Amino acid sequence: AQRVTQPEKLLSVFKGAPVELKCNYSYSGSPELFWYVQYSRQRLQLLLRHISRESIKGFTADLNKGETSFHLKKPFAQEEDSAMYYCASPGGSNYKLTFGKGTLLTVNP
Amino acid sequence: DAGVTQSPTHLIKTRGQHVTLRCSPISGHKSVSWYQQVLGQGPQFIFQYYEKEERGRGNFPDRFSARQFPNYSSELNVNALLLGDSALYLCASSILGGPGELFFGEGSRLTVL
Repeated sequence: AQRVTQPEKLLSVFKGAPVELKCNYSYSGSPELFWYVQYSRQRLQLLLRHISRESIKGFTADLNKGETSFHLKKPFAQEEDSAMYYCASPGGSNYKLTFGKGTLLTVNP
Repeated sequence: DAGVTQSPTHLIKTRGQHVTLRCSPISGHKSVSWYQQVLGQGPQFIFQYYEKEERGRGNFPDRFSARQFPNYSSELNVNALLLGDSALYLCASSILGGPGELFFGEGSRLTVL
């Protein structure tokens, strides 16, 4: 079964520091991968997807098939980046997403 | 803007009771998915409906059922509630049925006593 692993439940950094949220997946085919974010008192929303190769709010994520990883990175964290981040993938499914357990990022002033 | 709306936002039930949760997708979206989120976990897939047909079902017992109406709104029904059904139930809509960008509602928080 498809698994998405986020090894860190909590991550705390200072404003201006680099941040990396880790995500590993188990699907052996060509993966689609997403990062979703939930800010305080807001609904879960898409941050970025690997297929678009965009940088959103300064965040990027590179798919590394060799390491089966899709880590989310930002060179200079801001306080407004504090949120819960979820990595997700459909695996081989064409109708569902499998989510990781999430990482709570706190950016301290 | 008119995002995905869910009702009720909070509800409390007792074991053995039945619950119906409702979801209205974004206008123009034909697919609705339901996810269960238990505290400390990521959302877990329950159902997806596209054009009123069930396209997929997650690893949930038959006590869970859903349907989609001609206006693309959806209901999730859970019978014979157990304490372990306490969770946030999220509805998400998308334009097509694929597992692409999902637009989530704020969820219905179910507490089973």
